[in-house]
Amino acid sequence: EPEVTQTPSHQVTQMGQEVILRCVPISNHLYFYWYRQILGQKVEFLVSFYNNEISEKSEIFDDQFSVERPDGSNFTLKIRSTKLEDSAMYFCASTGDKKKNEQYFGPGTRLTVT
Amino acid sequence: AQSVSQHNHHVILSEAASLELGCNYSYGGTVNLFWYVQYPGQHLQLLLKYFSGDPLVKGIKGFEAEFIKSKFSFNLRKPSVQWSDTAEYFCAVNKAGGYQKVTFGTGTKLQVIP
Repeated sequence: EPEVTQTPSHQVTQMGQEVILRCVPISNHLYFYWYRQILGQKVEFLVSFYNNEISEKSEIFDDQFSVERPDGSNFTLKIRSTKLEDSAMYFCASTGDKKKNEQYFGPGTRLTVT
Repeated sequence: AQSVSQHNHHVILSEAASLELGCNYSYGGTVNLFWYVQYPGQHLQLLLKYFSGDPLVKGIKGFEAEFIKSKFSFNLRKPSVQWSDTAEYFCAVNKAGGYQKVTFGTGTKLQVIP
């Protein structure tokens, strides 16, 4: 069964550094998402992306965040200048079914900002 | 905007006990409903989903959930839990049709005592 993959599984970075989290969505999917889960809290929506544009973003997704689909397979989340509070698990998801919109989640990248 | 409430934050059961986790959502339109499970140290896995049709849906590992539209509820049930069911359970919802974001509840931690 096809699945969403994410790299790296764990990223440790210093405050103020830029990080790029990578995702490979399921190959025939067209809609992509990033969510995050701060330790002990619920999963929160960050951004959705379709046709090389952001479709929707949450209040969390400020100017420090950006997303990109640099080629036909990868979908990236960039944080320009990380803060301690960016430490979280970041999940990528994709869907190809507009009617049902079942989103398939990747295994996540644990980002630790020190 | 849609929201999801999970009433039980932490549930402790003995093996073979029956389980029911409450979930209520808030949204006036047609929704898709999901239950995800997150085992310790692992990523989100889809337990079951409701899009339309029979309001009683069966998922993996013996779980089922019932959609009661009049109560805006989608409670998760299992007749007999096992120690391996120890995990965090998230109820989630998105608007039907289109590529809408998923909104998650705060999660219920289930601890099953052998």
